[in-house]
Amino acid sequence: AQSVTQLGSHVSVSEGALVLLRCNYSSSVPPYLFWYVQYPNQGLQLLLKYTSAATLVKGINGFEAEFKKSETSFHLTKPSAHMSDAAEYFCAVKGTGANNLFFGTGTRLTVIP
Amino acid sequence: NAGVTQTPKFQVLKTGQSMTLQCAQDMNHEYMSWYRQDPGMGLRLIHYSVGAGITDQGEVPNGYNVSRSTTEDFPLRLLSAAPSQTSVYFCASSPRPALNEKLFFGSGTQLSVL
Repeated sequence: AQSVTQLGSHVSVSEGALVLLRCNYSSSVPPYLFWYVQYPNQGLQLLLKYTSAATLVKGINGFEAEFKKSETSFHLTKPSAHMSDAAEYFCAVKGTGANNLFFGTGTRLTVIP
Repeated sequence: NAGVTQTPKFQVLKTGQSMTLQCAQDMNHEYMSWYRQDPGMGLRLIHYSVGAGITDQGEVPNGYNVSRSTTEDFPLRLLSAAPSQTSVYFCASSPRPALNEKLFFGSGTQLSVL
């Protein structure tokens, strides 16, 4: 079975500071991992995905994530937070061959001016 | 492009009433799914479909029915609404069932059951 755990339901950072959102996964098969973002009153949008190619994945809006098998982690980072990054972020996992995507509980990012 | 369209955006039901949440996509995607989003619980999969005529249960299917008679449409039916079904519902689609590509989400339906 596949699952993800997001550490921290709320994260606050100052504008211009590093953003770090944590995600750990559990999977019995090589995982595909995703980060999605949800802006207020909208559906989710894909930020980036890991599908067993490069372990460092670059996404949209300056975000990136690194797949670390030894730590079963897929943390999301951005060097410098912008006010427009304020949103809820979801980590998700699926196993090879599966057609279900399992989401974490989400982390709400607040950016302080 | 319309993408994934959900209707209605808001709905209030009384306990025991039935209703159908509509979902349509115009991208010829094989895979469609329904999620519910509850505070502190993230998104949980209700039902999904890998093609017309094929549906399967997700994590939380009880109290919901689906059908997939066409590629474009994937309605979600609440047979007898309960307060526990108060939630935000999202429909999502993907080009292929393998889900190696991204999910395209609708803008959601906010449902309250009194």
